[in-house]
Amino acid sequence: EAQVTQNPRYLITVTGKKLTVTCSQNMNHEYMSWYRQDPGLGLRQIYYSMNVEVTDKGDVPEGYKVSRKEKRNFPLILESPSPNQTSLYFCASSLGTGGETQYFGPGTRLLVL
Amino acid sequence: QQQVKQSPQSLIVQKGGIPIINCAYENTAFDYFPWYQQFPGKGPALLIAIRPDVSEKKEGRFTISFNKSAKQFSLHIMDSQPGDSATYFCAASKDGNQFYFGTGTSLTVIP
Repeated sequence: EAQVTQNPRYLITVTGKKLTVTCSQNMNHEYMSWYRQDPGLGLRQIYYSMNVEVTDKGDVPEGYKVSRKEKRNFPLILESPSPNQTSLYFCASSLGTGGETQYFGPGTRLLVL
Repeated sequence: QQQVKQSPQSLIVQKGGIPIINCAYENTAFDYFPWYQQFPGKGPALLIAIRPDVSEKKEGRFTISFNKSAKQFSLHIMDSQPGDSATYFCAASKDGNQFYFGTGTSLTVIP
C-alpha cells in the first residue's frame, strides 16, 4: 500500500531533550516536506526537500533540522525542544514539485513539557 | 504575516446546501492553489487544485472559483452531505516547493 508513515505517533518529552521524528514513504517520491499544525494557524511549512541531499527552509524552520540521505526517508530533528514546539506534525511527499499532489502522513502529536 | 487568508473559520449547513469557503492572497507570484480536506485524526488529503490560467474547475461536487484580478479563490461544495463534515484548508504555492496554507474552515453538514 502506497503510504507515508511517521513515528512515533505520540510523544511527550521535556525541554531540551533531543528528539527525532521519522518519516518514510514507499512511493519513490522526490519531494518531501514537514508541516506543523496549530489551532487557529493552519499548517505551516517547516522544511522541504526536492531530492536526496537537497533541503530548504519553509516558513517556520527555527528550532528544527532535517536531513535527506535516502530518497524514502526525511527525519525531523528537534535538537533542543521547547514548549512552543508542542504541536501536531505532518510529513508529506509528492512525486515531484510544481504542483504535484502531496500525500500526507497520519501525523505526530508532540508535547514538550 | 498570513500569506493566505481563509474565511469563515467555521460553517454549518443543512444537507443539500452549498457551503462556500473563501481565500485571499497578496503574492501575485503564486501559481498553484490546492484545497485540502482533513478528517479528525487524519492527515490532510488533496481535494482539488487550480492554476491561475483558468477561472473555474470542477471535480465531482467540488468546484474552485478563481478570480485572478481580485486575488481570491473559493471552494463550493454542491449538494453537501454529512460525510463532507471536515476541516478544509486552502493553500498557495509559487514554485511547487514552498506552500502557504490558510487557517482552515471547520464544516459541519447537518442531516
